[in-house]
Amino acid sequence: AQSVSQHNHHVILSEAASLELGCNYSYGGTVNLFWYVQYPGQHLQLLLKYFSGDPLVKGIKGFEAEFIKSKFSFNLRKPSVQWSDTAEYFCAPNTGRRALTFGSGTRLQVQP
Amino acid sequence: NAGVTQTPKFQVLKTGQSMTLQCAQDMNHNSMYWYRQDPGMGLRLIYYSASEGTTDKGEVPNGYNVSRLNKREFSLRLESAAPSQTSVYFCASSEQNTEAFFGQGTRLTVV
Repeated sequence: AQSVSQHNHHVILSEAASLELGCNYSYGGTVNLFWYVQYPGQHLQLLLKYFSGDPLVKGIKGFEAEFIKSKFSFNLRKPSVQWSDTAEYFCAPNTGRRALTFGSGTRLQVQP
Repeated sequence: NAGVTQTPKFQVLKTGQSMTLQCAQDMNHNSMYWYRQDPGMGLRLIYYSASEGTTDKGEVPNGYNVSRLNKREFSLRLESAAPSQTSVYFCASSEQNTEAFFGQGTRLTVV
């Protein structure tokens, strides 16, 4: 069965610090990969996605993620976080068989 | 563009009561989903519908039923609510293999 693991449950950073959130999935076939963000009290919104091609993908608000096939990883990064990045972040692989499987989420708290 | 619309936004039920959560999308997507979100557990799939007329169980279907009324609408029913069903419920839609679009969520409390 497909599964996804997000290693960091709660991350606290100061503004301007760099961010990297880990995501590993367990599926050996073709997979589409997504990162979603959920701001406090809101619904999930797409941050970025990877289908094929360049393994380094860029999303909204300065976020990027790198797909490393050999490590089954799709880590999210941002060089310099802002207070407005405070949110919960979800990694979600999609093998195309049914629905997105979501990781347990990482709560990011950015202190001004 | 409305996207995915869920109603109601908030609901309080007594144990044993029933209710239906409504969801509609205007993006002509084939696939629709119901997830529940609980602290520390991410989003867990309750039911999904790959196309009009089909529904399938997800990870946590017990205590729920769904209806794919037409291509636009996918409802979730709790026949006899239990405190364990206190959660935030999200409806979503997508085309196969592409990103899902989410509704605003329904915060349900069962007392």
